[in-house]
Amino acid sequence: QLQLQESGPGLVKPSETLSLTCSVSGASISSSSYYWGWIRQSPGKGLEWIASIYYSGITYYNPSLKSRVTISVDSPKSQFSLKLSSVTAADTAVYYCARHSSMTTVVFDPWGQGTLVTVSS
Amino acid sequence: QSALTQPASVSGSPGQSITISCTGTSSDVGSYNLVSWYQQHPGKAPKLMIYEVTKRPSGISTRFSGSKSGNTASLTISGLQAEDEADYYCCSYGGSSTYVLFGGGTKLTVL
Repeated sequence: QLQLQESGPGLVKPSETLSLTCSVSGASISSSSYYWGWIRQSPGKGLEWIASIYYSGITYYNPSLKSRVTISVDSPKSQFSLKLSSVTAADTAVYYCARHSSMTTVVFDPWGQGTLVTVSS
Repeated sequence: QSALTQPASVSGSPGQSITISCTGTSSDVGSYNLVSWYQQHPGKAPKLMIYEVTKRPSGISTRFSGSKSGNTASLTISGLQAEDEADYYCCSYGGSSTYVLFGGGTKLTVL
């Protein structure tokens, strides 16, 4: 059974870089059928797609965040990662990782449990 | 402001049916049959309920159904049950530069 687990610091200072990792178990992250993505949810707010990556390293970014976001994949470790630079309080959110079948079908399944990242000095 | 517009809240009594709308534009919802719906209980990760407008993943109750007309997609839940009380989010493919758009979410209350 495929499982995803987010990890990373729960507290980041303003202007610094947020770094998160998603560990994948139960299936190969190198499967040519799937993409791997990050979605966030600010407290009491809706969902926002951040970025996705294909196992080969092809990346896709939300245009509104693209200048600050880097997504990468480490297939041997079965992990993919997110870096968000120059964070502000507006980046405080629960960050989820998820698998999706393609960049068009927007079928995110399954999701990790999510990790809360707070931006504060 | 979210890219896709959903009502903030809907409610219904057990056994009744409710419909949640998701309005986009001719560039996203209206152009592609690529709308999915997610259910989220408090403190939990979202769960896929409907994909490609009308399809249900394995294990999802037939009480959940999806449809689309023009730029608006809809999720209908029939035979409301207490455990259906949750937040529901729509999601659409937004084209080759935008990719993924979510709605602002709708809180369903089962009275």
